[in-house]
Amino acid sequence: EVQLVQSGAEVKKPGESLRISCKASGYSFTTYWIGWVRQMPGKGLEWMGNIYPGDSTARISPSFQGQVTISVDKSITTAYLQWSSLKASDTAIYYCARREGIAVTDPFDYWGQGTLVTVSS
Amino acid sequence: QSALTQPRSVSGSPGQSVTISCIGTSSDVGDYNYVSWYQQSSGKAPKLIIYAVTERPSGVPDRFSGSKSGSTASLTISGLQADDEADYYCCSYAGGYTFYVFGTGTKVTVL
Repeated sequence: EVQLVQSGAEVKKPGESLRISCKASGYSFTTYWIGWVRQMPGKGLEWMGNIYPGDSTARISPSFQGQVTISVDKSITTAYLQWSSLKASDTAIYYCARREGIAVTDPFDYWGQGTLVTVSS
Repeated sequence: QSALTQPRSVSGSPGQSVTISCIGTSSDVGDYNYVSWYQQSSGKAPKLIIYAVTERPSGVPDRFSGSKSGSTASLTISGLQADDEADYYCCSYAGGYTFYVFGTGTKVTVL
């Protein structure tokens, strides 16, 4: 069974760093892209970026370029989303999701449960 | 790249049909047959219900159907049921560096 299990909720202060995780299981981790999607409070979904665990190739949305880093650790089938300096506007739920196939046009077929990040002084 | 435009809400009685529109541009919905739809129940993660405009993943009831005309995609829910009450998001491949653009989301209420 395909599963994406994300790390727990975080409460941080502005300026702090943070890394959240997405542990994959039940499939060949290195052959499916993983994406990250943001959902701000009461708002819609926004695609942040994708990473291919096979070779760590990453594609970041222009809206998030320079704001976040996406990475993977193949040895533990885990993807990460990282901030070096959080802002209050980063408060949101962050979802990881598996892209169904190799084509960039493939949809996200499995999703993690989401990680709530709260940034407040 | 702006979000695709969806109606804020639609509603219907059990058994009725509702249709949700998703208006894009010639750079996304109008240029690619790669529109997907996601259902997000309250407090839950999104769930894929339609991909490639009209295709349904296994396990998704055939009450859910998708279509596209020009730069507008649509999701129709037939035989509305209580557990269809959720937020629905369209998503289109947009090429370039943007890759994917989501819709603004539509809340479906079952009366």
